[in-house]
Amino acid sequence: DAKTTQPNSMESNEEEPVHLPCNHSTISGTDYIHWYRQLPSQGPEYVIHGLTSNVNNRMASLAIAEDRKSSTLILHRATLRDAAVYYCIPRLRIGNDMRFGAGTRLTVKP
Amino acid sequence: GAGVSQSPSNKVTEKGKDVELRCDPISGHTALYWYRQSLGQGLEFLIYFQGNSAPDKSGLPSDRFSAERTGGSVSTLTIQRTQQEDSAVYLCASSLRGSDSEQFFGPGTRLTVL
Repeated sequence: DAKTTQPNSMESNEEEPVHLPCNHSTISGTDYIHWYRQLPSQGPEYVIHGLTSNVNNRMASLAIAEDRKSSTLILHRATLRDAAVYYCIPRLRIGNDMRFGAGTRLTVKP
Repeated sequence: GAGVSQSPSNKVTEKGKDVELRCDPISGHTALYWYRQSLGQGLEFLIYFQGNSAPDKSGLPSDRFSAERTGGSVSTLTIQRTQQEDSAVYLCASSLRGSDSEQFFGPGTRLTVL
């Protein structure tokens, strides 16, 4: 399994953009990069995923480095509801599990 | 439509007893996953089903843990002779296909072993 490195914690002010980094230097060419988040007292929820190209959806953007050894989850305007633990997870293309690391705990200050 | 459901939501048991945890995935989802999360910790993968078969059981922590899935739908996680270290929230997730599709998580079962 590809190993990931994420900051233990980050802080942001409300209404400001947040860039959450993830290093996955051992990623294979067929691994997708998934991001999930877990709000307090809830199960994880999907945020976004990508393979090579940058991806955008209504929740966030995912910027993937050209060598795919790192990626950045971008929340364009943080809200208090975005306070959560964010997990970066490389996943094999052919059906498999997800191995959650420790993630990054994001605190959003009003 | 209905999401992933799990029962019971809470389970308190005595050390040494067996427990069964149930997961009802989203209808039509072929992949089903079990995880557990101890207090203040990250998620720990337990087992993955594709249909009724479990190609990856590597995360089961001991032979006291077993899981099955029937009819490509409901799954049961069984813990025999529970120990206090088994106390955790057990989360189930399902996805339409394999790893390139989003996983939807249930609310979890909080297991407390006294």
